[in-house]
Amino acid sequence: DQQVKQNSPSLSVQEGRISILNCDYTNSMFDYFLWYKKYPAEGPTFLISISSIKDKNEDGRFTVFLNKSAKHLSLHIVPSQPGDSAVYFCAASATGSARQLTFGSGTQLTVLP
Amino acid sequence: DAGVIQSPRHEVTEMGQEVTLRCKPISGHNSLFWYRQTMMRGLELLIYFNNNVPIDDSGMPEDRFSAKMPNASFSTLKIQPSEPRDSAVYFCASRSTGNTIYFGEGSWLTVV
Repeated sequence: DQQVKQNSPSLSVQEGRISILNCDYTNSMFDYFLWYKKYPAEGPTFLISISSIKDKNEDGRFTVFLNKSAKHLSLHIVPSQPGDSAVYFCAASATGSARQLTFGSGTQLTVLP
Repeated sequence: DAGVIQSPRHEVTEMGQEVTLRCKPISGHNSLFWYRQTMMRGLELLIYFNNNVPIDDSGMPEDRFSAKMPNASFSTLKIQPSEPRDSAVYFCASRSTGNTIYFGEGSWLTVV
């Protein structure tokens, strides 16, 4: 039973345009969400996070939106750059779960020059 | 600052052989995680240590898998005997007191 779902395995976007990566979750106990980026042959690296007390968090070109009622979060990258091409993982954790992260299956983003 | 260090980076072994993967967490981090990434299942948590003590090993697939953390700066994940279906990328990660965990570059295991 996948508690964190990334339904789009891949996404292609033109350089300079907006990339929107989506993530849905089923566990209502999740209260902290993170996005990781992974290049081939490297480990995932932390990108941005959001607590359930907020609905938006912004860091430079990256913004994460959280819709708790829909159990949905999204990552916006504006403007997209070729160097953003990577696999993006959504992850979630719950208070009391020892902060273990549950990961989605990832979305491969390709930014076309 | 050195990140999470894993070894070996790549391992090819024959079915039935013992495999030992090693991890050095970031200094000062008190939590350590072992993850496995496969095409079918994505990133799965295998086991998690806090202050060198195993907290949750419910993700360990079967008894062939074992993990130890003898001290704060070293952990091993052992597979004995290894099987072809164990072929995957194994990530070690560590965390301080916050929510963000930091991953190593992974150990790519191929069992033939």
